Amino acid sequence: DQQVKQNSPSLSVQEGRISILNCDYTNSMFDYFLWYKKYPAEGPTFLISISSIKDKNEDGRFTVFLNKSAKHLSLHIVPSQPGDSAVYFCAASSASGTYKYIFGTGTRLKVLA
Amino acid sequence: DSGVTQTPKHLITATGQRVTLRCSPRSGDLSVYWYQQSLDQGLQFLIQYYNGEERAKGNILERFSAQQFPDLHSELNLSSLELGDSALYFCASQGDSPSPLHFGNGTRLTVT
Repeated sequence: DQQVKQNSPSLSVQEGRISILNCDYTNSMFDYFLWYKKYPAEGPTFLISISSIKDKNEDGRFTVFLNKSAKHLSLHIVPSQPGDSAVYFCAASSASGTYKYIFGTGTRLKVLA
Repeated sequence: DSGVTQTPKHLITATGQRVTLRCSPRSGDLSVYWYQQSLDQGLQFLIQYYNGEERAKGNILERFSAQQFPDLHSELNLSSLELGDSALYFCASQGDSPSPLHFGNGTRLTVT
């Protein structure tokens, strides 16, 4: 049972445009969500998080949106840069610790120069 | 640099063998998580330790075991290895919950 789903395995975007990565979850007990970026031969690197009491969190070029009713979150990268080319994972957890960090299968983003 | 150290980086071994993967968490982090990533799949949660105690178990096989030592480093033991155990194994550490996990660069295990 895949509780966290990233339905787009890959995405290509022109440099300078917006990249939108999507993630859906099924467990309504999740209340803490994160995005990670992963380059080849490296471990995932934390990008940005959001708790369920918010619907938006911004950090520089990265913004995460949370739609609790739709059980959907998205990561917006504006403007996209070639160095953003990587695999992006979303993850969900419960602050209480009941549900551990469950990761999606990832979306490979390619930013074209 | 996440501050999480995993050794070795690569491991090649034969079926039926036993290996130990090691993880040193970030300074001050009490919680250690282990994940498996196979063939460009997502990260599968295996097990979590907090200050030496097992806190949660995920999809960890009975052939696999882990422990966290008093100095907070952790080891993941994989035994009776099968070809399907070939994967990247990541360790992550965490400070106070809820907070992000910080990952090491992983150990790539190849079982031949």
